[in-house]
Amino acid sequence: GAGVSQTPSNKVTEKGKYVELRCDPISGHTALYWYRQSLGQGPEFLIYFQGTGAADDSGLPNDRFFAVRPEGSVSTLKIQRTERGDSAVYLCASSSGAHNEQFFGPGTRLTVL
Amino acid sequence: QKEVEQDPGPLSVPEGAIVSLNCTYSNSAFQYFMWYRQYSRKGPELLMYTYSSGNKEDGRFTAQVDKSSKYISLFIRDSQPSDSATYLCASYTNAGKSTFGDGTTLTVKP
Repeated sequence: GAGVSQTPSNKVTEKGKYVELRCDPISGHTALYWYRQSLGQGPEFLIYFQGTGAADDSGLPNDRFFAVRPEGSVSTLKIQRTERGDSAVYLCASSSGAHNEQFFGPGTRLTVL
Repeated sequence: QKEVEQDPGPLSVPEGAIVSLNCTYSNSAFQYFMWYRQYSRKGPELLMYTYSSGNKEDGRFTAQVDKSSKYISLFIRDSQPSDSATYLCASYTNAGKSTFGDGTTLTVKP
């Protein structure tokens, strides 16, 4: 079956612009995670959804970052007033439960000029 | 200090060698421990998943967790060129929020 998909695969934007990154989890997976991975570093947790609600958003770095999952499936990560330091690969993962294997998507490479 | 520390390498070994990858962690509340493999420009792929202390073996891969010393290891036997990748260790408590090390880059030379 299909794995986790993320769109776009690459996004180049200018400082100060707004961006949306989309994640399509594996069908039926109730848990969805967003991570950010900078070059040479491991993924850094941003937010975790169980169903439609954010169960843990402690990793969101500031109020410019926001994520939604309105129907408990697709999720969108939204970044306002982008900064050069936001440049990274944004990874999405889904799992069938909080303690089950997280399946990662290929990521969206965000570059802020 | 990061909660999960990992030697970044790079590590280069000949084909057929035994590879040892290691991490340390500082959060005593961590209960679940994972090893992921990540190829260039791909998402991480889960290799091993263990709960609490002990060993777990899966084919050529063995994961060890020693909670008393807060030490996590991954051993790869009979390493293959296709094992060349970045290996990430990760841990979490009970909420699914994983904390990752920064990865060790492994190259297996034919």
